[in-house]
Amino acid sequence: GAGVSQSPSNKVTEKGKDVELRCDPISGHTALYWYRQRLGQGLEFLIYFQGNSAPDKSGLPSDRFSAERTGESVSTLTIQRTQQEDSAVYLCASSGTLARDTERPNYGYTFGSGTRLTVV
Amino acid sequence: EDQVTQSPEALRLQEGESSSLNCSYTVSGLRGLFWYRQDPGKGPEFLFTLYSAGEEKEKERLKATLTKKESFLHITAPKPEDSATYLCAVRGNNAGNMLTFGGGTRLMVKP
Repeated sequence: GAGVSQSPSNKVTEKGKDVELRCDPISGHTALYWYRQRLGQGLEFLIYFQGNSAPDKSGLPSDRFSAERTGESVSTLTIQRTQQEDSAVYLCASSGTLARDTERPNYGYTFGSGTRLTVV
Repeated sequence: EDQVTQSPEALRLQEGESSSLNCSYTVSGLRGLFWYRQDPGKGPEFLFTLYSAGEEKEKERLKATLTKKESFLHITAPKPEDSATYLCAVRGNNAGNMLTFGGGTRLMVKP
C-alpha cells in the first residue's frame, strides 16, 4: 500500500481481556517495528522484524506481549490479560532493507497512525 | 545503551519568534540522527536524517544541525501550523535497525 496501515484506530477493552492489533506495512519494506507511546511520552521500542531473521523481542515489557509477522507482510501484536498500564498508542513502522551497516537511508521509518488502546 | 534527551519538554512561541529545540544524545557509534514531527492523533512524520558532526539539513522554516553530542532543530519565523511535537531519535552501532527516541518537545506557536 501507499503507507503503513494500522487497525483498529481505537480499541477500548476491559481489564483481563486479550487484544490483537494489526499492522500492514508498506509493500516491499522488509523491516517492521512496533513501538508504544504513553500519553505525553516518547516512543518505547517493543519488537522488530527484519525479513526472515528471528525478531528482536528485547523491548517487550512482559510475556503478556507477543507479535507475529507473516513473511514480509502483515504483523499482529497481541496483548494477553490486558492491564490498565497497557493503555497507550501502539505505533507500527516499516523501512526498507539495510543490506550493510554503511547504507544510509534518508527516510528512517514510515509510521502508521497508531492504535489507541484504552484498558478500563 | 543509547540515550536521547530532548529539551525543553514544551515551548510556546509567538508567530514569527524564532527558537531552537535541543536533542542531546549518547550512542555507541552514531549511524544516523533522525528528526520527526508528530501531530496529535497521528504517527511521527519523517523530517531529516543527519549522519556526521557539522552536517546541516533544511526544509522550509526548519534547519537541523548536528554535533558529536547534540542536535538542534532551528525554527525560523514559525507559523501556527508548525505547532506539533518534534521527536529526535538515534541509531547506534549496537542497535541493528532500531531507533532510540527522546521524549519529544511539544511546540505551540500562537498567532
